[in-house]
Amino acid sequence: NAGVTQTPKFRVLKTGQSMTLLCAQDMNHEYMYWYRQDPGMGLRLIHYSVGEGTTAKGEVPDGYNVSRLKKQNFLLGLESAAPSQTSVYFCASRDYRQGFYNEQFFGPGTRLTVL
Amino acid sequence: RKEVEQDPGPFNVPEGATVAFNCTYSNSASQSFFWYRQDCRKEPKLLMSVYSSGNEDGRFTAQLNRASQYISLLIRDSKLSDSATYLCVVNMGGTYKYIFGTGTRLKVLA
Repeated sequence: NAGVTQTPKFRVLKTGQSMTLLCAQDMNHEYMYWYRQDPGMGLRLIHYSVGEGTTAKGEVPDGYNVSRLKKQNFLLGLESAAPSQTSVYFCASRDYRQGFYNEQFFGPGTRLTVL
Repeated sequence: RKEVEQDPGPFNVPEGATVAFNCTYSNSASQSFFWYRQDCRKEPKLLMSVYSSGNEDGRFTAQLNRASQYISLLIRDSKLSDSATYLCVVNMGGTYKYIFGTGTRLKVLA
């Protein structure tokens, strides 16, 4: 049981390049999230998904696209990378049980630098 | 005003000390509350959920004060291994949305 995994762990891009970050979870969770974390700021939600085939915008979606073709995978795409997208990206998932105390499980993060 | 606010610290405390952090939230409709721990350059991991009646897990005690809209985390008998950033997280209850504080950094000194 690997939990939540992310690939790649590190990446350096040049401005204008594109890339896709992959998140995979083996816990059969319905909800999946992409966050970015920058110094002095809390984790900010980029996009999220409440189930296979569904995606929605979070707090900071501009410059990113996502897809959830399979329940276990959530992809984050950068079509034309900008230096402002230099950040640490975390994927998370959670179960869809009724009730308030649904823990989020996080992947190990992807450290992206855009030059 | 930020939705979730924390003192960034750092809190520098000697081993064995007791330390407490507070976190305030602005939305009175918030339903569930969590403390996550984040080690340097690692992912956040759940430390404790915070229940209305308060809860304790070993050296860690979490409290919720709905009237004043804050949650607290108390760490007793601090260990070197407690050095980390502690994130306050608030959920609106049954929704997708989790709001993260910026974290409070703790350094436990030998």
